[in-house]
Amino acid sequence: KAGVTQTPRYLIKTRGQQVTLSCSPISGHRSVSWYQQTPGQGLQFLFEYFSETQRNKGNFPGRFSGRQFSNSRSEMNVSTLELGDSALYLCASSLGPSSLVYSGGHNEQFFGPGTRLTVL
Amino acid sequence: GENVEQHPSTLSVQEGDSAVIKCTYSDSASNYFPWYKQELGKRPQLIIDIRSNVGEKKDQRIAVTLNKTAKHFSLHITETQPEDSAVYFCAALGVDSSYKLIFGSGTRLLVRP
Repeated sequence: KAGVTQTPRYLIKTRGQQVTLSCSPISGHRSVSWYQQTPGQGLQFLFEYFSETQRNKGNFPGRFSGRQFSNSRSEMNVSTLELGDSALYLCASSLGPSSLVYSGGHNEQFFGPGTRLTVL
Repeated sequence: GENVEQHPSTLSVQEGDSAVIKCTYSDSASNYFPWYKQELGKRPQLIIDIRSNVGEKKDQRIAVTLNKTAKHFSLHITETQPEDSAVYFCAALGVDSSYKLIFGSGTRLLVRP
């Protein structure tokens, strides 16, 4: 079974531009979560999508948005890029939403390789 | 808000020694605690997880312990090997506002041959 894929793998943008990142989950997985990874900050949760609906959102400004398509592929968009947006953006796919874990279900998140975004 | 603190940020051990990484979480309703290993240039991968109804879980050389009262959980790696060198992240399932994994800031483990 193919793993989670993300495109593009690398991006260089300038301040003020916008960017769209793509994530294709494992076949059969319906949930995609996005994280921002920066040195020393660990993984910061951006948002989670399940069945084309945003289930929850992290503490990021409205410049960060996302969506999910009927085939479970997800995109995230960052508008008006700032230098501080430079990071590795990881997506993770799972069978169901995170709430499934709370109720005792098995719902491992499988990470993609990430998109390294550099804002100049 | 929901928070997970992880210590130490870096850890260097001699091959064969044990390594311990500790995390503290703030959301008392959290009931799921996974640990991820991220090798250099690779994606994070789940290595072990524990639920709040269990105090300890082992898988070969790795084990995780959980103290719900103190809201602490720890990763223990015994008989460390050079291939254990990586960044380890703890996480807790945040419930306070919505269900999501809250990650610690990571521990860079270096196992010296």
